[in-house]
Amino acid sequence: DAGVIQSPRHEVTEMGQEVTLRCKPISGHDYLFWYRQTMMRGLELLIYFNNNVPIDDSGMPEDRFSAKMPNASFSTLKIQPSEPRDSAVYFCASYSRAGGPVDTQYFGPGTRLTVL
Amino acid sequence: RKEVEQDPGPFNVPEGATVAFNCTYSNSASQSFFWYRQDCRKEPKLLMSVYSSGNEDGRFTAQLNRASQYISLLIRDSKLSDSATYLCVVQSGGSYIPTFGRGTSLIVHP
Repeated sequence: DAGVIQSPRHEVTEMGQEVTLRCKPISGHDYLFWYRQTMMRGLELLIYFNNNVPIDDSGMPEDRFSAKMPNASFSTLKIQPSEPRDSAVYFCASYSRAGGPVDTQYFGPGTRLTVL
Repeated sequence: RKEVEQDPGPFNVPEGATVAFNCTYSNSASQSFFWYRQDCRKEPKLLMSVYSSGNEDGRFTAQLNRASQYISLLIRDSKLSDSATYLCVVQSGGSYIPTFGRGTSLIVHP
């Protein structure tokens, strides 16, 4: 398996622009998570999906952030308009709960976002 | 009080040293515990789960103390390649959603 795939790996944009981050989870995994990591705040859970349905988006910082999962193999995180304080590494992770407690989340390589 | 707290370090140790990290959690209903490792500019990866009876994987030993609500990670005979950030992860029984600590930075030098 190729693991969790994220694109782009790096994104540099100007304040006010729309940014779309993409994630392909591991096939068969029924949970998908979006995290943001910064030096100041560490790893923060933004939103997670179960079977393509958003379950908890309480971590989404504000209305500028939105996430979708149109099918089991694809999710997007969109920031519109972007601001310099959104600069961070955004990770997507997936796991399967089938049959019992979670053993591990599998993280993608992350998207390093810089908003100028 | 944060849900999961770790000393950010850095812990700066020579090769061959033994080093230990602790992590405290606030939710007494927490059921599952893990240590993840994150290399610089990489994604977090599972290092080991932490079981009630403690567990060992080569040079790494993880312990759980439910009464005091902390978990620990002991690394023996440190290698240069152990240099990384170690993230403590706690899951409550009802949600299966993990809560990550901020991480402890380890630097192993020659």
